[in-house]
Amino acid sequence: DSGVTQTPKHLITATGQRVTLRCSPRSGDLSVYWYQQSLDQGLQFLIQYYNGEERAKGNILERFSAQQFPDLHSELNLSSLELGDSALYFCASSVEGQGVYTQYFGPGTRLTVL
Amino acid sequence: AQKITQTQPGMFVQEKEAVTLDCTYDTSDQSYGLFWYKQPSSGEMIFLIYQGSYDEQNATEGRYSLNFQKARKSANLVISASQLGDSAMYFCAMRGAPSNDYKLSFGAGTTVTVRA
Repeated sequence: DSGVTQTPKHLITATGQRVTLRCSPRSGDLSVYWYQQSLDQGLQFLIQYYNGEERAKGNILERFSAQQFPDLHSELNLSSLELGDSALYFCASSVEGQGVYTQYFGPGTRLTVL
Repeated sequence: AQKITQTQPGMFVQEKEAVTLDCTYDTSDQSYGLFWYKQPSSGEMIFLIYQGSYDEQNATEGRYSLNFQKARKSANLVISASQLGDSAMYFCAMRGAPSNDYKLSFGAGTTVTVRA
C-alpha cells in the first residue's frame, strides 16, 4: 500500500459526460501528479500540483482540468468524454526538497467511456 | 526532453533464475533520476528502485539491483532469484533536473513472465 488513495476504482460512463476523479496523497506529500495510461499512448504525464498551485502541465487536453485543495487532495475533471479517453488514470504524490522525489502511485481509476 | 527506451516487449524467465530488463535513456540534463516501477496484472504501480545520476554506486533493493552505466545512458534492472510473484509489467522512468522538471517520463514497459 503506497499510502496514496484514489476513488473511484472503476468508472463507466457515456460519451459526452463529465466525471471527477479524486486523489488523496500520502501524509506529508505536497506534490500531486496525474498520469494517464492507455494502450496506444502508454503512460503519459498530465499535470502536477504543488501545495495547491499548478506547477507543470503535460499532454493534458483542454477538456481536462485539475485542482488541488487546501487539504492537499486533488481532483481531475474530465468533460465531454470521448471513447479515446478510456484509460487508467493514476495519481502519484511525492515529498519535495529531499533530493530523490520518488513518486508513489495510487491504485488508479479505470475509466471506461461507452 | 527525456526519452526512455525499453526494447524488450516481453520476457520469460525460469523461477529462481535472474533476469535483466534493459532501459536506455536520453537527456540533456546533467542531474536526473532513474526509477523502475512494477505493474502487476491488478494494475497498481509499485516503486522498486531509484538511481540518481550522481550516485557512484549502483542501487540495490533486496532482489532488485540497477546496473547503471552513465556513459552508455543505460539503467538496466536485474531481478535475482525470480519468483512467480515477479510476473508483471516493468517500467523504466526518468525524472529530469530537480529544479525544473519533476514529471516522470516512462518507457513502453517490459512484460516479465516467470515460469515454475
